[in-house]
Amino acid sequence: QVQLVQSGAEVKNPGASVRLSCKASGHIFAGSYMHWVRQAPGQGLEWMGWINPNTGGTNYAQKFQGRVTMTTDTSITTIYMRLDSLRSDDTALYVCASQPYDFWHMAVWGIGTTVTVSS
Amino acid sequence: QSALTQPASVSGSPGQSITISCAGSGGDVGVYGYVSWYQQHPGKAPKVIIYDVNDRPSGVSPRFSGSKSGDTASLTISGLQADDEADYYCCAVIRGSTYVFGTGTRVTVL
Repeated sequence: QVQLVQSGAEVKNPGASVRLSCKASGHIFAGSYMHWVRQAPGQGLEWMGWINPNTGGTNYAQKFQGRVTMTTDTSITTIYMRLDSLRSDDTALYVCASQPYDFWHMAVWGIGTTVTVSS
Repeated sequence: QSALTQPASVSGSPGQSITISCAGSGGDVGVYGYVSWYQQHPGKAPKVIIYDVNDRPSGVSPRFSGSKSGDTASLTISGLQADDEADYYCCAVIRGSTYVFGTGTRVTVL
């Protein structure tokens, strides 16, 4: 079954904010850190940060600090990623991925949410 | 946090072995033993094929192997097959539980 379900595509104007969601299965939510990774069209993977969905603790990539906020809703085993002050170069596929607590790699990946920033 | 450096492309014939390097700077790769490798086919989500430098998840072919020397990690694919044609990314844990990906390598099977 699908273990990470992400929200649908978004189209935003420059300067706006976007909030994406990623619903995890119960066992993944209970035992994993959750990462957000993005991939611009034709480009490589870029790590944005992680959240501990059970404590709310976060660690953001320096590049996104001040512009990204990751939150969690334990009642519905869902994490969120908000990105503010969108620019055209934020156009990308945003993917959530889980990292089991006892490991240091991203074991399960979502299919991603496309965010298009355009006026 | 600059991306780790990988060759843009590597190619090989079926049955051959190829190696993809992943170079850090300032001890990015060498500090911890937490280097992972991901395979991404076009239009698909990445899939972990190596973690903790040289461990393979269940179900991943033993043709994939990893190593590390100093501040450079490597992924070797032996017995190259057509389905190995994909993009490959390394990923390292650096200071303060921060992660960084490599620039990515396109593998072509000739």
